Amino acid sequence: EVQLVQSGAELKKPGSTVKISCKVSGYTFTDYYIHWVQQAPGKGLEWMGLFDPGDGETIYAENFQGRVTLTADASIDTAYMDLTSLRSDDTAMYFCARGKRMGPTLNYFDFWGQGTLVTVSS
Amino acid sequence: DIVMTQSPDSLAVSLGERATINCKSSQSVLSSSNNKNYLAWYQQKPGQPPKVLIYWASTRDSGVPDRFSGSGSGTDFTLTISSLQAEDVAVYYCQQYYSTPVTFGGGTKVEIK
Repeated sequence: EVQLVQSGAELKKPGSTVKISCKVSGYTFTDYYIHWVQQAPGKGLEWMGLFDPGDGETIYAENFQGRVTLTADASIDTAYMDLTSLRSDDTAMYFCARGKRMGPTLNYFDFWGQGTLVTVSS
Repeated sequence: DIVMTQSPDSLAVSLGERATINCKSSQSVLSSSNNKNYLAWYQQKPGQPPKVLIYWASTRDSGVPDRFSGSGSGTDFTLTISSLQAEDVAVYYCQQYYSTPVTFGGGTKVEIK
């Protein structure tokens, strides 16, 4: 059974950094990109970037470039998302999702993590 | 960036009636190399992550009821729920995965009339 299990909710101060984990199981970690998606309260979905566990390549959305870092530890089938310089508008649910690697092209997101709520407040 | 525009923002449909959601991309998401539209539809219920319903614009994911169907090509796409059930109350998003950044439509909230 494919599962993506994310770490728990976080309460952070403005200016700090949050690290969210996404542990996968039920498939070969390197066969799928891991994407990260932000959803502010009551709002839509915004793609933050992707990590390729096959070669470590990352692609970041311009809105998050410079503040987000995507990494992974393939030995434990876990992907990570670091978001720095947190501000109040980073308060959101963050999802990891997988998309099958298909050569140079992308794929739809077929499984998602349960989400991690990050609250940024002084 | 490819901008995805959904309409309407919300709609209320009677049980058993048809619901239609539209999605327009600012540029074509049809690949000339494989003739596939890189367009997916997701359903999100409160407190849950999105769930894929349709991919390649018209392929229903495993286990998705056949009352859900996707159509369209190029820049114009439609998600149709042929006979709305109570469990279909949710927000629906279209997504293009033709190129990065991956982008989503703004969402359409479907309610029971």
